[in-house]
Amino acid sequence: EVQLMESGGGLVKPGGSLRLSCAASGFTFSAYMMNWVRQAPGKGLEWVSSITGTSSSRYYADSVKGRFTISRDNAKNSLYLQMNSLSAEDTAMYYCVRMRTAGAIPWFDPWGQGTLVTVSS
Amino acid sequence: QTVVTQEPVVSVSPGGTVTLTCGLTSDSVSTSSYPSWYQQTPGQAPRTLIFKTNTRSSGVPDRYSGSILGNKAALTITGAQAEDACDYYCALYMGSGVWVFGGGTKVTVL
Repeated sequence: EVQLMESGGGLVKPGGSLRLSCAASGFTFSAYMMNWVRQAPGKGLEWVSSITGTSSSRYYADSVKGRFTISRDNAKNSLYLQMNSLSAEDTAMYYCVRMRTAGAIPWFDPWGQGTLVTVSS
Repeated sequence: QTVVTQEPVVSVSPGGTVTLTCGLTSDSVSTSSYPSWYQQTPGQAPRTLIFKTNTRSSGVPDRYSGSILGNKAALTITGAQAEDACDYYCALYMGSGVWVFGGGTKVTVL
C-alpha cells in the first residue's frame, strides 16, 4: 500500500524557518516526481513545488520561489521542504503528494494526510 | 497571471445531475492541460476522482465523469447522492513544471 507520512509542521514566528519531511513507502520512491501542495485554513488547494525523481529539476510556485527549497533523499525514501522567511500567508496544511503518470500524462495521487504549519507571533 | 476558475457553490437534488466546470481566465482548457479532479471531505486529505481529463481513479463510482465542454474541463455527477456533498478541485498543468488548482466548488445535495 502506498503511504505518505508528513511531519515537521508546527508553530513558527514570522521570519522564521521550518523543514517539512515526508516519509514514503509502498512504491519505488526514486521513480516518481513528488510534490508539495498546501491549503490555507478554509481555503483552496495551492500547488507549491515539485521535484523529479533524480532531483534534476525542481519547480516552484511564484508565491514561494526564493524562500522554499524542495529536496529528496531517495536512499531514505524521503521528501523535504525547507521553508524560510515565513509569513502569515504561509499558514496552511502542507500535503505531500506523489505524481503519477499514464501515457506521460501526470496527476496528483495519492495524497498524504498533511502537516499543519502555523506562522504567528 | 492565469487563474483557474471554478463555480464557488453548486446545488443538486438527490438523484439529479450536476456539472462542475474548470476554466482559464486567459485561455481554453484542452486535454493538453492534463485536467484532473479531486474530492475533499471536511478534515480529510483530497482524493483523486478523475485524471487524464476523463479517466476515473480506482474505486471511484461511475456516476462521476470527466470531459471537455467547450473551452473548459468538466466534472459531471449523475444521480447525485448525499455523500457527494463536499468540495471538488480541478488541477491544470500550465507548462514549465507549473500546476494551478482551481478555487474549488462546494457541492450541496438538497
